[in-house]
Amino acid sequence: SQTIHQWPATLVQPVGSPLSLECTVEGTSNPNLYWYRQAAGRGLQLLFYSVGIGQISSEVPQNLSASRPQDRQFILSSKKLLLSDSGFYLCAWSPGLNTGELFFGEGSRLTVL
Amino acid sequence: AQSVTQLGSHVSVSEGALVLLRCNYSSSVPPYLFWYVQYPNQGLQLLLKYTSAATLVKGINGFEAEFKKSETSFHLTKPSAHMSDAAEYFCAVSDLQGAQKLVFGQGTRLTINP
Repeated sequence: SQTIHQWPATLVQPVGSPLSLECTVEGTSNPNLYWYRQAAGRGLQLLFYSVGIGQISSEVPQNLSASRPQDRQFILSSKKLLLSDSGFYLCAWSPGLNTGELFFGEGSRLTVL
Repeated sequence: AQSVTQLGSHVSVSEGALVLLRCNYSSSVPPYLFWYVQYPNQGLQLLLKYTSAATLVKGINGFEAEFKKSETSFHLTKPSAHMSDAAEYFCAVSDLQGAQKLVFGQGTRLTINP
């Protein structure tokens, strides 16, 4: 069966520090991968998605970047965190076979102080 | 562009009462529609999905939703609320184009009163 893992689960970082959140999917190949951010009272906002290795699409301009160095690995990064980057970050995957549904990881809570 | 509107950011019902969470969508193509549930500090779990087959969709934990094209709605219901249903619920829409992105509503926090 397929599984998705995110880490770290919780992170407290000072303003201006770098960020790296990792996500890996097991049990499938060539998945579509997604990073969403959930800010308090604002629902889920799609940040990045990827349909293949090295292929990254950004949905909103921001202080973050994403990379997909391997088929089942998706990384969310920042060189210098802002207070507004605080939130709950969710990685998700889909088989990309017109099923529509996404499968989510457990999330990473980032607090920038 | 697609969008989802969830009416009511907070809904409170008594244990055993009917749960009704409202969702209206906008889509230029036949949509796929989803309801997800999120428990505190966890990821999202799929409750049910509509994929252009039966308009009444049954999901996990006794939830169901009805697709009404004329009303552009996909409301979530459960006949009898249980304390364990307390969570945040998200409605989402996909057009299955390209990367098959999901567009989510703002979420509805469901509270169950004993």
